[in-house]
Amino acid sequence: EAGVVQSPRYKIIEKKQPVAFWCNPISGHNTLYWYLQNLGQGPELLIRYENEEAVDDSQLPKDRFSAERLKGVDSTLKIQPAELGDSAVYLCASSLGPAETQYFGPGTRLLVL
Amino acid sequence: AQSVTQPDIHITVSEGASLELRCNYSYGATPYLFWYVQSPGQGLQLLLKYFSGDTLVQGIKGFEAEFKRSQSSFNLRKPSVHWSDAAEYFCAVGGDYKLSFGAGTTVTVRA
Repeated sequence: EAGVVQSPRYKIIEKKQPVAFWCNPISGHNTLYWYLQNLGQGPELLIRYENEEAVDDSQLPKDRFSAERLKGVDSTLKIQPAELGDSAVYLCASSLGPAETQYFGPGTRLLVL
Repeated sequence: AQSVTQPDIHITVSEGASLELRCNYSYGATPYLFWYVQSPGQGLQLLLKYFSGDTLVQGIKGFEAEFKRSQSSFNLRKPSVHWSDAAEYFCAVGGDYKLSFGAGTTVTVRA
């Protein structure tokens, strides 16, 4: 069974530029999560989707971050404009349901110059 | 509020020696507890989880963890460490969907 797929794996951009990350969850997983992992820290939840609905986006900085999950499968996380402090790893995870085990993708490592 | 503390930032262990990683949690009800491992440049891989039942949980790669409610702990152990166990280890607690992770413990394995 394929795991969670993320792309790109690495991204280098200049500040104020836009950037987007893509995630394909495990087939059949209705719940999708985006996490932010800063260097030397554990992941922190940004947003959770149940199918195509964002049911918890309380930690998403909405002035510059946006996300979507069209058709309840793939998801895209966007930052516009990027700031130096956004340099981090962005992890996508999925689970069968909200109280089920979460499985993580390899992450996208973002460097903002 | 839920939270996780991993007291050890970095542990160095000799290959073949035993390993124990500490995890203390704060949670208002019966927690779900997890240990994940992250190799450099990789995502998080689930080692084991505790939802209910037997407090000693077996996981992959020869790891086990013990849930101690009285101590609010969920320590991870491995009897004999292999060089490939060098990685960062995260403990997480959650009861519904929201996972709270500790800051991680980096394990270095010396020959």
